[in-house]
Amino acid sequence: QVQLQESGPGLVKPSETLSLTCTVSDDSISSYYWSWIRQPPGKGLEWIGYIYYSGSTNYNPSLKSRVTISIDTSKNQFSLKLSSVTAADTAVYYCARHLRPTVPSWYFDLWGRGALVTVSS
Amino acid sequence: EIVLTQSPATLSLSPGERATLSCRASQSVSSYLAWYQQKPGQAPRLLIYDASNRATGIPARFSGSGSGTDFTLTISSLEPEDFAVYYCQQRSNWPPKYTFGQGTKLEIK
Repeated sequence: QVQLQESGPGLVKPSETLSLTCTVSDDSISSYYWSWIRQPPGKGLEWIGYIYYSGSTNYNPSLKSRVTISIDTSKNQFSLKLSSVTAADTAVYYCARHLRPTVPSWYFDLWGRGALVTVSS
Repeated sequence: EIVLTQSPATLSLSPGERATLSCRASQSVSSYLAWYQQKPGQAPRLLIYDASNRATGIPARFSGSGSGTDFTLTISSLEPEDFAVYYCQQRSNWPPKYTFGQGTKLEIK
């Protein structure tokens, strides 16, 4: 059973850069598209962006100017960087796998447990 | 941008009852719609994709229907573990962007 695990600092200062990594438990990182999704406390879900093993990315237009998603297939990891954070970026950040291999499928069938990141001085 | 509106915001039912949750899209999404279940402190779980296909391991009491702009998630007979928040989700074609509804909380009456 493939598993995803988010890791990174739980506290980030305003104006700094949020950095998270998602580790995929097997070699399937080269077969699927992978996304980051966030959820502010008590609120709904917001898609941040996706990446493929080739490095191809697509970002939510509302966050595009601040987001970078990268991938390291040798480590079975992909990462999120969100710059110039504010309190509004406080959320649980999930990494997720797209449903079907090799295409940016419309749905997410496997999720990590989530990592709470708080933006505060 | 396609907006998904879920109703009701909260649904209060008893175990054994039938639950009907609605998701309306601001423009047609064909059948490209999914439903997720989220329990407190957990990640969302994919229940239904392509409007009516159950994901792997999802019990048969969960079913989805609809196309175009109006979609329904039905839970035929509620089990205690079904009380959670449910989200619908779609993807727009261009630019590719994934959006979720605001959620329906299914609570025990």
